Amino acid sequence: DVKVTQSSRYLVKRTGEKVFLECVQDMDHENMFWYRQDPGLGLRLIYFSYDVKMKEKGDIPEGYSVSREKKERFSLILESASTNQTSMYLCASTTGVVPGETQYFGPGTRLLVL
Amino acid sequence: RKEVEQDPGPFNVPEGATVAFNCTYSNSASQSFFWYRQDCRKEPKLLMSVYSSGNEDGRFTAQLNRASQYISLLIRDSKLSDSATYLCVVANTGNQFYFGTGTSLTVIP
Repeated sequence: DVKVTQSSRYLVKRTGEKVFLECVQDMDHENMFWYRQDPGLGLRLIYFSYDVKMKEKGDIPEGYSVSREKKERFSLILESASTNQTSMYLCASTTGVVPGETQYFGPGTRLLVL
Repeated sequence: RKEVEQDPGPFNVPEGATVAFNCTYSNSASQSFFWYRQDCRKEPKLLMSVYSSGNEDGRFTAQLNRASQYISLLIRDSKLSDSATYLCVVANTGNQFYFGTGTSLTVIP
């Protein structure tokens, strides 16, 4: 089974702090994604990556950056956390072999910014 | 206009009932279609892919109508364990996925 893990299930940070969210997948997947999920808005894509050191902006990249130094790990960085970044953050991966294939999600990180 | 639109519900149905969810998408070039299930405070998990010919998995039937750009999910003989939020997901050739906001289902004993 594909396993996608995220470094924290719950996180509380203060406004202005730098926040790192880590995601690791163990199935040698090419593509990795970061979403945030908010009530009434659904999942919105922040960034995605097709390969090591490659990244593409999603629909809401402002206030976020990403890093993919190794194939299995995709990090989301909040340079200076703000209260409107309080959300559920979900990481996902796909093999990248077939366009539009199934996504596998991590358990999510609930971030609260005070 | 949103890429994917779903009726948020909630749908409250008795055990054994049949319930149907619909979803519309705006990009006629979309390539792949899915229904995901998300339990409260959990991550989304694939329920089933949706094919042009329609497909069935036990009590679940998914249909795709490309001409009208909508996807449907039919659940027969609802169980208490079917209570969840159902997400409609559409993917394009560029490997970007677009999610509906989800339809909430509660199956009542």
